[in-house]
Amino acid sequence: GNSVTQMEGPVTLSEEAFLTINCTYTATGYPSLFWYVQYPGEGLQLLLKATKADDKGSNKGFEATYRKETTSFHLEKGSVQVSDSAVYFCALSDRDTGRRALTFGSGTRLQVQP
Amino acid sequence: DAEITQSPRHKITETGRQVTLACHQTWNHNNMFWYRQDLGHGLRLIHYSYGVQDTNKGEVSDGYSVSRSNTEDLPLTLESAASSQTSVYFCASSRDNYEQYFGPGTRLTVT
Repeated sequence: GNSVTQMEGPVTLSEEAFLTINCTYTATGYPSLFWYVQYPGEGLQLLLKATKADDKGSNKGFEATYRKETTSFHLEKGSVQVSDSAVYFCALSDRDTGRRALTFGSGTRLQVQP
Repeated sequence: DAEITQSPRHKITETGRQVTLACHQTWNHNNMFWYRQDLGHGLRLIHYSYGVQDTNKGEVSDGYSVSRSNTEDLPLTLESAASSQTSVYFCASSRDNYEQYFGPGTRLTVT
């Protein structure tokens, strides 16, 4: 079956530091990949997505590249801000199986200190 | 603006009671989903629907049911609430491009 593995948190960084959150996946088909962000007390918001190999999703300074050869979709940002403190979820959907629901990783909490 | 709403936002109930959580979306999306969020597990799929009168079980469906009588609503019912169902519940919807939009969540406590 499908699965998503994320690095455990919390990840604690100082403002303006470089961020990487690792995500690897296992899928039976050819998935689409997503990063969602959850701010305290809120629902999940789509941060970025990629639908095919070598695609790069980007939004708000965050980037992730779909690497089929390493089955990875690592999230990066060059300079984090305090406002980026949140929980980040990597997820996939598997179009080949017709499954439209998402499979999520366990989430990684990011704490950015001023 | 189109949106997805959940109610109530917070609920405390007793073991054994029936509870229904509401989810309403105004995007006219065909697909709707219920997930639960627990520490260390991320979000896990409870039930989902691809259209009116269509419902399907997810990975953690035991003790839950849904019905889809129109496009906008997918209520989630806990038939007999158990302490193991204390969680935060999220509803989501999507068109067929697999990008899902999430509601604000319902925090349910079963005592």
